[in-house]
Amino acid sequence: AQSVTQPDIHITVSEGASLELRCNYSYGATPYLFWYVQSPGQGLQLLLKYFSGDTLVQGIKGFEAEFKRSQSSFNLRKPSVHWSDAAEYFCAVKTGNQFYFGTGTSLTVIP
Amino acid sequence: NAGVTQTPKFQVLKTGQSMTLQCAQDMNHEYMSWYRQDPGMGLRLIHYSVGAGITDQGEVPNGYNVSRSTTEDFPLRLLSAAPSQTSVYFCASSYRGVSGYEQYFGPGTRLTVT
Repeated sequence: AQSVTQPDIHITVSEGASLELRCNYSYGATPYLFWYVQSPGQGLQLLLKYFSGDTLVQGIKGFEAEFKRSQSSFNLRKPSVHWSDAAEYFCAVKTGNQFYFGTGTSLTVIP
Repeated sequence: NAGVTQTPKFQVLKTGQSMTLQCAQDMNHEYMSWYRQDPGMGLRLIHYSVGAGITDQGEVPNGYNVSRSTTEDFPLRLLSAAPSQTSVYFCASSYRGVSGYEQYFGPGTRLTVT
């Protein structure tokens, strides 16, 4: 069965520190990969996506993600976190016409 | 553009009642979808549509119906509400094709079934 795993339910980082959010997927072929962010009470906003080509993709708000086929991973990174990055982050994959989301990682940023 | 709009924002139903959650988009997107979001479970796909007149089931379709008579609208119907359907519901739309599939999400509908 298809699955998307975000092993970290909650992460706390200091403002200015680096961030890495983990995402692993299980599919037979390379799916389309996405990272979304959700602020409290809001819908989801796309941070970045990977379809093919360069395995390091840049997104909005200074985020980047790296696709590693050998590890079936698509981890999200940011070199320096801002207080406004506090939110819920979701990894998602598209296979066929269906999207599958991970359970999310909640990010807290402390001053 | 208004993007993806959803109504209502909040709704309380009694068990057994029916209702329709409305979703509309003004971006001429072919693909539309409905998700439910439950704590600790992320978003799960209920139904989706790849164009007017075409719908299909997602991961958790039981208890829900959809139709797509126009490109713009994609309503979700709860036939007989159950407490297990208490959730936040999101509608999303996107273009199809390699350059697309970026989903635009509505603000959500918070549904409580008592």
